[in-house]
Amino acid sequence: NAGVTQTPKFRVLKTGQSMTLLCAQDMNHEYMYWYRQDPGMGLRLIHYSVGEGTTAKGEVPDGYNVSRLKKQNFLLGLESAAPSQTSVYFCASSYSGTSGGEGYEQFFGPGTRLTVL
Amino acid sequence: DAKTTQPPSMDCAEGRAANLPCNHSTISGNEYVYWYRQIHSQGPQYIIHGLKNNETNEMASLIITEDRKSSTLILPHATLRDTAVYYCIVRVVRRTNAGKSTFGDGTTLTVKP
Repeated sequence: NAGVTQTPKFRVLKTGQSMTLLCAQDMNHEYMYWYRQDPGMGLRLIHYSVGEGTTAKGEVPDGYNVSRLKKQNFLLGLESAAPSQTSVYFCASSYSGTSGGEGYEQFFGPGTRLTVL
Repeated sequence: DAKTTQPPSMDCAEGRAANLPCNHSTISGNEYVYWYRQIHSQGPQYIIHGLKNNETNEMASLIITEDRKSSTLILPHATLRDTAVYYCIVRVVRRTNAGKSTFGDGTTLTVKP
C-alpha cells in the first residue's frame, strides 16, 4: 500500500494563478481532510469529507474549494492564489468504522510545499 | 471541540523517559484524547489514543487523570529519533464531522545525547 500520496510535492505560483492539489489514498478510507501548516505553527483544517460526493468546511476554508468525486481522491483547489496561502498543505484520511465516537487514527501524506509570490 | 494546552518545548536526555503533559480541562465526556507527532517537516504520525483508562502500545503510554482534564504521554526510553513536535488533540468521531479536530502548536521535544 502506498498510503496517502500528494501531488505535487512542491509548487511556486504567482499571485492570481490557480492550481489543484491532488490527494490519493489506497486504504478505502471514507474520511479525508485537507490541512495547512504555516511555519512554526500547528495544522489548521481547511476542508474535510465524510464520503464520496460530500465535503464540508473546516477552520480556514476561505480561498479554497474541494471536490471528492471518487472515494480515493480528494482535490484542493486555489482559484486565485494569494501570498497568504503560502504554506505546507497536508492531506489525511481515516477509516470511519463502526466504533462510534472513538474513531480511528488519521493517516497523513508527505505534504505539498506551496509558495505564492 | 475542546482545546488543548501544551508547553511549547521540552528537553529530554537520551535513554530517559520523556513525559509530555497536555491540559484539556474543557473536554466533554465522549471526547477521546489522541496524540500525534511530526518529525521534521513530515506528515504527522499517530501515536496513541484513549478515553479514560491508561493505554500502552509499542510506541508510548498514555496516562489520563481521573477527572480527564489532563493527560501525559510517556516515551519510556527516548532516542534521538524521538525529537519531534508532539500534538495532543481531543476529538469525537461522528458521521457528520469525520472526527475533525484542532491541532494546536504542540510541544517540541528535543532529545539530547
